[in-house]
This record gives sequence, structure tokens and C-alpha cells, in this order.
Amino acid sequence: DAGVTQSPTHLIKTRGQQVTLRCSPISGHKSVSWYQQVLGQGPQFIFQYYEKEERGRGNFPDRFSARQFPNYSSELNVNALLLGDSALYLCASSPRFGLAGGKVTDTQYFGPGTRLTVL
Amino acid sequence: GESVGLHLPTLSVQEGDNSIINCAYSNSASDYFIWYKQESGKGPQFIIDIRSNMDKRQGQRVTVLLNKTVKHLSLQIAATQPGDSAVYFCAEKFLQAGGTSYGKLTFGQGTILTVHP
Repeated sequence: DAGVTQSPTHLIKTRGQQVTLRCSPISGHKSVSWYQQVLGQGPQFIFQYYEKEERGRGNFPDRFSARQFPNYSSELNVNALLLGDSALYLCASSPRFGLAGGKVTDTQYFGPGTRLTVL
Repeated sequence: GESVGLHLPTLSVQEGDNSIINCAYSNSASDYFIWYKQESGKGPQFIIDIRSNMDKRQGQRVTVLLNKTVKHLSLQIAATQPGDSAVYFCAEKFLQAGGTSYGKLTFGQGTILTVHP
């Protein structure tokens, strides 16, 4: 089975432009999360979507938005790009959303990422 | 906010040695911990996970130890190989109010493991 796929692999934009990144989760997975990884640091959580609804949001400005489609694929949009948005954008999928009652949620499996460079 | 941190940013070992990568976490509400391996130009690859109701879990050549008393997590790699060279991240997840836990993972900075032949 294919893993998480992301497109494009690399992208170069200029300041002020807008970008759309795409992610297809593992077949059967209904939850998609987005992370930003700046060089030399660990990934930072941006969003989680499950069943087409936003279920969690990290500390990112409103320039960042996302959505999930009926086939569970997802798009991350970033408007008014800044130099500081240059990073590796990672998508992770998991089978389900968090479970109540203290049970552990499912493992997240990451895609290869999209390398965004803002000039 | 609270975060996961690593004691050692770099670790160099000889092929065949055992490696130990350490991680400190500060959120006592964390209920789930994961180790990821990230090779250059790739996304993080799941290695092993552990729940907070356990103190040890073993996989193939890897063992994760959890010490909740001192909020410490470690990854042990047996018979380290050159292919193990990568950046290793620990990540935590904690329950939100109401008992549900959505998908936010909090990552540490990472440890660079270099294995010399």
C-alpha cells in the first residue's frame, strides 16, 4: 500500500504570493495533520482534520488555512507568504481521531514533505 | 508552552555499538510518546511508541524506556548500523480537557545520530 503522498515536492515562491500544498493520506485513514518544520528544528503542529472538520489548530496566523475533502485528502493554503514561511511542510495521516476515556490515539504516519522556499 | 526537549543534540557511535538517545518532557499530562527517525530530505519515520501506563517497550533492535517520575524518555538502539544515521525526534501527545486527544504532537529539537563504520 502507498504511504502518505504530498505534492509538490519542492516549491519556490516570492513574498506576498499564495501557495497550496496537497496531501493524500494512507488508504483507510480519515485524519490528516499538517506540520511545519523549519531547518534544524522539530516539526510544529499547524492543523488536524478529521472527517472534513478542523479538530485542532496550532499557534499559526490566520494566513494559514486548510481543508479536507470527502476522499480524506487535504490541502494547506498559506497566503501573503513571508520569508519565515520557508520550511518543510509535512502531512501526517492516522486512522482515527482521538478517543475519549483516556485511550491512546492512533499513530501518525508522515509523508515526505513539501519543501517551500520563499524568496 | 510546555515542550519536549533532548539532552544531547549529537551522538556519534561506532558500528555495532549500542546507542542511547535521551529526551526530557515537561508535561505531566502527556499520555503517549513516540520516537521518529528522520533521514535527510525525508519525512519522519515512525520507530516505536509507548503509552504512559508502561515503562518499557521493545521492538526490533529498539527499546523505549519511560520514567514518569523524572519525566524522561530514552530510545536504545542495539547493534547500531550506518543506516541508523539520522535525526531522532521524540514527540508527546497529551489529553485535552474532556478526555479527548486530538492529533497534536509536540516534538523536541532532535538528536543527530552518526554511526561510523
